[in-house]
Amino acid sequence: TQLLEQSPQFLSIQEGENLTVYCNSSSVFSSLQWYRQEPGEGPVLLVTVVTGGEVKKLKRLTFQFGDARKDSSLHITAAQPGDTGLYLCAGERNQGGKLIFGQGTELSVKP
Amino acid sequence: DVKVTQSSRYLVKRTGEKVFLECVQDMDHENMFWYRQDPGLGLRLIYFSYDVKMKEKGDIPEGYSVSREKKERFSLILESASTNQTSMYLCASIAQRRGEQYFGPGTRLTVT
Repeated sequence: TQLLEQSPQFLSIQEGENLTVYCNSSSVFSSLQWYRQEPGEGPVLLVTVVTGGEVKKLKRLTFQFGDARKDSSLHITAAQPGDTGLYLCAGERNQGGKLIFGQGTELSVKP
Repeated sequence: DVKVTQSSRYLVKRTGEKVFLECVQDMDHENMFWYRQDPGLGLRLIYFSYDVKMKEKGDIPEGYSVSREKKERFSLILESASTNQTSMYLCASIAQRRGEQYFGPGTRLTVT
């Protein structure tokens, strides 16, 4: 069974701090997606990384896919209260669009 | 604009009741998914469908069934609800067999 371990599960930081969320697996994924979910809403895609070693930036968010396509990280620089939410990583299986999700990271950024 | 809607935001049912959760997408997507979301466990796939009248089991299908009579509609059925099925249920769709999944807002189901 493929597993995706996401850490930390909870993160409470002050505005302006930096943080990194990790997703690790022993399995290879064809791609890895990062979603953000706000209370009362479904997850919304932030980015997809496909190539081993790929780095993508979305304003203050930097996403990296490991060289072996087994792990990924999300780094947020100078976090803001608007970054508060649940961040989910999801590995795409080679079986027609099915995703396996990490446990999620609940981020709280205090002003 | 892409839209996935779910029939209810909140639902309270009694143990043993039959429960229907409906999901509708307006994007002409072929592939639809049902997940449940529990704290510390992320999203777990219950069932998915690649086409009308077609369904496949996900990772946790026990206690659930699904129906896809029309392309835009995918229903999740709890034949006899139990308290351990109290959860957030999320529906999603994708255009092809890979790519971004578009999620509905979720249904928070409580079984008492």
